[in-house]
Amino acid sequence: GAVVSQHPSWVICKSGTSVKIECRSLDFQATTMFWYRQFPKQSLMLMATSNEGSKATYEQGVEKDKFLINHASLTLSTLTVTSAHPEDSSFYICSARKTLSSYNEQFFGPGTRLTVL
Amino acid sequence: AQKVTQAQTEISVVEKEDVTLDCVYETRDTTYYLFWYKQPPSGELVFLIRRNSFDEQNEISGRYSWNFQKSTSSFNFTITASQVVDSAVYFCALSEAPGGYQKVTFGIGTKLQVIP
Repeated sequence: GAVVSQHPSWVICKSGTSVKIECRSLDFQATTMFWYRQFPKQSLMLMATSNEGSKATYEQGVEKDKFLINHASLTLSTLTVTSAHPEDSSFYICSARKTLSSYNEQFFGPGTRLTVL
Repeated sequence: AQKVTQAQTEISVVEKEDVTLDCVYETRDTTYYLFWYKQPPSGELVFLIRRNSFDEQNEISGRYSWNFQKSTSSFNFTITASQVVDSAVYFCALSEAPGGYQKVTFGIGTKLQVIP
């Protein structure tokens, strides 16, 4: 199988606090992980591409200092929303691509719903 | 630049009807992958199919079938004899060829409601 987990599945926090979301590939190694954001009734928008051992590549318009990504191992990537504000409330989804994958299939986590009060 | 267009934002059908979800894509790559995902109300994305650009064979899996037409840059998805459990948002997606970052570009999604 190829299972990706996210923790927490939902979080409510006060404005100004930081929130860390974990993305883990449970039964495979993932050199590359992706972070997406989904607003209600909208599509998934890629925020950044995370490569193990190197800096993440952010999409245009995504603030690097706001959304800190750390891909410290082949099975774990973390997204930290710093100084969260209500407009950061969203559904955050990660995906992982198997190392040495011969085709580009990404396995998605179940998502984390962030609500900032 | 890659682009995926799902012109139908919402579709309602009565149970047992057939329904086709349209997907049109744009890419400059000669090698690419197309996907369909289902997102039920729980939010988790469910992988349905992957098709690479060299394989234009249509595929059938149970009540699901996909029609890939490279000439029209379309990758349509048909559900036969729809069921209430098919109610979800369906996303068509496109990714670039291996070797790059392999970003996946999603369409806006089609919300399917199957009425009992």
